[in-house]
Amino acid sequence: EVQLVESGGGLVQPGGSLRLSCEASGFIFSSYSMSWVRQAPGKGLEWVSYISSSRSAIYYADSVKGRFTISRDNARNSLWLQMNSLRAEDTAVYYCARGQGGDWGQGTLVTVSS
Amino acid sequence: DVVMTQSPLSLPVTLGQPASISCRSSQSLVHSDGNTYLNWFQQRPGQSPRRLIYKLSNRESGVPDRFSGSGSGADFTLKISRVEAEDVGVYYCMQAIHWPWTFGQGTKVEIK
Repeated sequence: EVQLVESGGGLVQPGGSLRLSCEASGFIFSSYSMSWVRQAPGKGLEWVSYISSSRSAIYYADSVKGRFTISRDNARNSLWLQMNSLRAEDTAVYYCARGQGGDWGQGTLVTVSS
Repeated sequence: DVVMTQSPLSLPVTLGQPASISCRSSQSLVHSDGNTYLNWFQQRPGQSPRRLIYKLSNRESGVPDRFSGSGSGADFTLKISRVEAEDVGVYYCMQAIHWPWTFGQGTKVEIK
């Protein structure tokens, strides 16, 4: 059974940083691209960042480019999202997703507020 | 960015009746490999999204066959042949051929 477990969310002040983690199990992690997708409260879905299986391709949404960094360690079946210079508009539930959204974690809430 | 436009945004349906959601993209979603990279997701209240359909018309394992995806080029449809109570939620189309991958605004399906 595929499992994706996010952690690392919480309350942070504007301008602060957080590092989200996603631990994967139940599939060959190194064979799949991975992404972070977010959902602001009461809003729709926004694809935030993508990393290919071998890390050769990395993409970011314009809204986070230069502030967020996606990374992965295939030996540890882990995915991360380093978020710096956080803004109120980054407040959302952040999901990690496998491939083109074939599987999703339960999400972790990030709240940016003073 | 590719804009995905869904309609309607709200869809009240009667149990056992069919339902249809339209999705249009601002660019073609047909890849040179011949596939159309259009996915459909369901998000039930309080849950994570779940992919129902991938590459236009392929149903995920475990998805009831009352769900079907169709369309071509830039015009797509998700159909539910007979709506059941468990189908309540928000449905999103999503394109995965042009970065950034983008979603439609979502269609809220509710029971009349």
